[in-house]
Amino acid sequence: EDQVTQSPEALRLQEGESSSLNCSYTVSGLRGLFWYRQDPGKGPEFLFTLYSAGEEKEKERLKATLTKKESFLHITAPKPEDSATYLCAVQATGGFKTIFGAGTRLFVKA
Amino acid sequence: EAGVAQSPRYKIIEKRQSVAFWCNPISGHATLYWYQQILGQGPKLLIQFQNNGVVDDSQLPKDRFSAERLKGVDSTLKIQPAKLEDSAVYLCASSLGGRDTEAFFGQGTRLTVV
Repeated sequence: EDQVTQSPEALRLQEGESSSLNCSYTVSGLRGLFWYRQDPGKGPEFLFTLYSAGEEKEKERLKATLTKKESFLHITAPKPEDSATYLCAVQATGGFKTIFGAGTRLFVKA
Repeated sequence: EAGVAQSPRYKIIEKRQSVAFWCNPISGHATLYWYQQILGQGPKLLIQFQNNGVVDDSQLPKDRFSAERLKGVDSTLKIQPAKLEDSAVYLCASSLGGRDTEAFFGQGTRLTVV
């Protein structure tokens, strides 16, 4: 069964303290892995799509990487405005369903 | 570019009542999704449309939930009758389709069943 597990559930950082969020996945074949950001009371906002192992994408302080079993979202020198829930999702080949993980709640303190 | 529009933003109903949610996707997006997000969890796909047709509704509780997409554009999701465990945020999303499967989400409808 296709599955997505995110860790940690919550992460508290000081401003400027770099860290990484993990997304482990189990799918029969990967069509794409997605990262989203969700602020309280809002819908998820698309960040990145990764398609194959070894692929990396960057946007401002965020960098997403992908291996055959997991993805990391690296946050460099975070700011308080980076505080949000970060969601990972996978779409398997041979189907259309996108499966989301439970998310990592990130808190960045000034 | 206008985003995905959803209404209402909030709804409170009693159990066994009916409720309907409306979604207008981004213009030109062929794929439309309805997700259920329970507090503290990630979104769970309820139903996915490609134009007018349903491509996945495997997790839609069909005894009480129904959805339609009119003329391949707007969509409605209905719950009849509602249960306490249906309390959640209902998110609508759309995407271009094809390999560009990143989805753009609306703000959601927060449903409380009392």
